[in-house]
Amino acid sequence: DVKVTQSSRYLVKRTGEKVFLECVQDMDHENMFWYRQDPGLGLRLIYFSYDVKMKEKGDIPEGYSVSREKKERFSLILESASTNQTSMYLCASSLFTRNEQYFGPGTRLTVT
Amino acid sequence: AQSVTQLDSQVPVFEEAPVELRCNYSSSVSVYLFWYVQYPNQGLQLLLKYLSGSTLVESINGFEAEFNKSQTSFHLRKPSVHISDTAEYFCAVSLPRAGGTSYGKLTFGQGTILTVHP
Repeated sequence: DVKVTQSSRYLVKRTGEKVFLECVQDMDHENMFWYRQDPGLGLRLIYFSYDVKMKEKGDIPEGYSVSREKKERFSLILESASTNQTSMYLCASSLFTRNEQYFGPGTRLTVT
Repeated sequence: AQSVTQLDSQVPVFEEAPVELRCNYSSSVSVYLFWYVQYPNQGLQLLLKYLSGSTLVESINGFEAEFNKSQTSFHLRKPSVHISDTAEYFCAVSLPRAGGTSYGKLTFGQGTILTVHP
């Protein structure tokens, strides 16, 4: 089975802190994605990566950056956390030639 | 660009009753369609998908969805629900060419919370 893991299930940070969310997948998938999930808005794509060191902006990249130094690991970075970034963050991965994405359990981030 | 609308934000039903969760999409080209389920405090799991072929697709736990191209819909149905089906359900679309510039990106609907009451 594909396994996507995220470094934390719950995280509480203060406004202005730099925040790192880590995601690791174990199935050699080329594509990796970061979404945020908010009630009534569904999932919105923040960034995705289709190869090591490659990244593309999604629909809501403002305030976020990403890093992919190894194929299995995709990090989401909040350079200076703000309260409006309080949300559930979901990581996903997929094969380059397939559309099915596999999701991690999510990180619920609270910024106070 | 594609878009997805899930017409009901919440659907309460009693156990053993039938249920339909509605999903409409908008796209100028052919798309792939998916239903994902999210149980409380978990990530999303793929429930079923339509890529091509038969317009009726089924999952292993009794859900089915029918692709209707003329109505641009992909409604999810189950003839008899269980308490364990309580979850949030997401409809999603993607462009078929996952290996091309679409990279298999998914566009999600807003989600429908299904609550099954005893």
